[in-house]
Amino acid sequence: EPEVTQTPSHQVTQMGQEVILRCVPISNHLYFYWYRQILGQKVEFLVSFYNNEISEKSEIFDDQFSVERPDGSNFTLKIRSTKLEDSAMYFCASSDWSAGYTFGSGTRLTVV
Amino acid sequence: DQQVKQNSPSLSVQEGRISILNCDYTNSMFDYFLWYKKYPAEGPTFLISISSIKDKNEDGRFTVFLNKSAKHLSLHIVPSQPGDSAVYFCAASAGTSYDKVIFGPGTSLSVIP
Repeated sequence: EPEVTQTPSHQVTQMGQEVILRCVPISNHLYFYWYRQILGQKVEFLVSFYNNEISEKSEIFDDQFSVERPDGSNFTLKIRSTKLEDSAMYFCASSDWSAGYTFGSGTRLTVV
Repeated sequence: DQQVKQNSPSLSVQEGRISILNCDYTNSMFDYFLWYKKYPAEGPTFLISISSIKDKNEDGRFTVFLNKSAKHLSLHIVPSQPGDSAVYFCAASAGTSYDKVIFGPGTSLSVIP
């Protein structure tokens, strides 16, 4: 069964450093998303991406965040200058027109 | 501002019985609803969905009921199995299924053998 792949599974970074979280969506999907889940809290929408541009973003997705689809297969989330409160599980998802999204297994980001 | 609410953080059910997970929403623009299951250290897995033009959708042991006037939906699992033990997220979107999805806080289901 096709799956969404995320790397790394765990990333530890120092506060203020830049991190790039990587995702390989399902190949025939056209819509891409990033969500995050802070420990013990709900899954929160960050951003959706379609046709090589952001289609929607939440208030969490401020100027420190950016997304890119650099080569037609990868979909990345960059956090420019990490803060302690960015520590969370980050989930990438992709979708076609059918019901539901397919999520990756997540990247656990720990900012120290 | 919780647009999607799951008021029971946890639920325990005996194996073989019915599990009923409830969800309420506040945004009347939502017209597509989804349930996801999540195991620890894994991403959410899509289970079943329903659009606002229907009041019931069934897929095997899983049935979702939608009451639009009450802004309420529920997921029924029957019979419940130990492998169903997971966190269940209700989610909703406005517009087509590829729009952003708003998740509820989740209900942790434990199915006791």
